[in-house]
Amino acid sequence: DIQMTQSPSSLSASVGDRVTITCRASQYIVTYLNWYQQKPGKAPKLLIYEASSLQTGVPSRFSGSGSGTDFTLTISSLQPEDFATYFCQQSYDTPVTFGGGTNVKIK
Amino acid sequence: QVQLQESGPGLVKPSQTLSLTCTVSGGSISSGSYYWSWIRQPAGKGLEWIGRIYTRGNAKYNPSLKSRVTISVDTSKNQFSLKLTSVTAADTALYFCARASIATAGNSWFDSWGQGILVTVSS
Repeated sequence: DIQMTQSPSSLSASVGDRVTITCRASQYIVTYLNWYQQKPGKAPKLLIYEASSLQTGVPSRFSGSGSGTDFTLTISSLQPEDFATYFCQQSYDTPVTFGGGTNVKIK
Repeated sequence: QVQLQESGPGLVKPSQTLSLTCTVSGGSISSGSYYWSWIRQPAGKGLEWIGRIYTRGNAKYNPSLKSRVTISVDTSKNQFSLKLTSVTAADTALYFCARASIATAGNSWFDSWGQGILVTVSS
């Protein structure tokens, strides 16, 4: 299985901060990497697909980059509604696997 | 706008079979290039892919569950289903059904999700 390692596992930030979350794959996955946001008790919501493509309706403060094994999700200016858990996911091979998540908390 | 809705028992006894159905509305389960998937999440933990089915092909399962899982599709009802046999407390989780869009190159992403259904395994 391809292991997805996210860092940090949690972070505290303030409204307006720039936030960066990283995801590392245990093997080469081209750009077959997606990012999701999940709030407690809710289903994940797709933010970024194919490493850097913004899903329709997602604010432009979210962006993704990377290829190969190292990827980044950036929130340029954190908003109150962005406090949530973020997951990366690879679709290069089955089983599909997810990162362990990054919990973005209010400082 | 496609919508997915899980249904099934919220409580299953150990050693029995967990059966869930996902009803798709707002679009045909047979149209387009999509995988129809099941994903679960134990309380306070991460996401685990259970498996998927493609209406024009075979199902694929997570090897960690493969011997116990069956995913099937009923195109006449616009539904797909999950069966997980011989359940234990470790199978207690929030179960999601999801649609994955498939790109030309073969990569995919989960762009529509059900709200999730909590299944508890307990006697």
